[in-house]
Amino acid sequence: DTGVSQNPRHKITKRGQNVTFRCDPISEHNRLYWYRQTLGQGPEFLTYFQNEAQLEKSRLLSDRFSAERPKGSFSTLEIQRTEQGDSAMYLCASSPVRWASHLNYGYTFGSGTRLTVV
Amino acid sequence: QQQVKQSPQSLIVQKGGIPIINCAYENTAFDYFPWYQQFPGKGPALLIAIRPDVSEKKEGRFTISFNKSAKQFSLHIMDSQPGDSATYFCAASMSGGSEKLVFGKGTKLTVNP
Repeated sequence: DTGVSQNPRHKITKRGQNVTFRCDPISEHNRLYWYRQTLGQGPEFLTYFQNEAQLEKSRLLSDRFSAERPKGSFSTLEIQRTEQGDSAMYLCASSPVRWASHLNYGYTFGSGTRLTVV
Repeated sequence: QQQVKQSPQSLIVQKGGIPIINCAYENTAFDYFPWYQQFPGKGPALLIAIRPDVSEKKEGRFTISFNKSAKQFSLHIMDSQPGDSATYFCAASMSGGSEKLVFGKGTKLTVNP
């Protein structure tokens, strides 16, 4: 287990289709985050889980988006009825609890899933 | 509302130069300020981080300078190398709760040989 794994790396879909992404975090990390990054922008927070509980969701996460982490391990992010505005890089990150108290712990990000909606 | 403002948007330096990237924040509840480095096709990777109780932190060729009263912080890269060419993001977070990161828009750094 060398890092955060995201699949697929790339996804091209037609507008209106549903897509699902998967994230496998570092196994001992309790927290899992989803971020979205559009071209030329920094990542924006979408949602986070502590173990299997989804504890916070951004206003960016419309009702077409749903995320799960059923057993507190891997997570999925589903987008229903995709729109062209959903085209972005979707990043997953994991961390231990209360990582911010350790200056150089930080998140570990995956390489992301690049979604293109045509 | 952009909570973390980053400048410049892009920066070109010669090898050995000292690029400086600046960030300003608005929320005084932020208490953790990391810098991330991102290469094309990869996720961001943590470079260095600081808390507001110190004014400077050095790790290798990377230095963060922090000015709490001005609500500003900056990244300096000493003896820059072509391999440092990447996009750099500043971020901020507050302890407790989700500890989610609020990112700046990024600075694309090019170090010419």
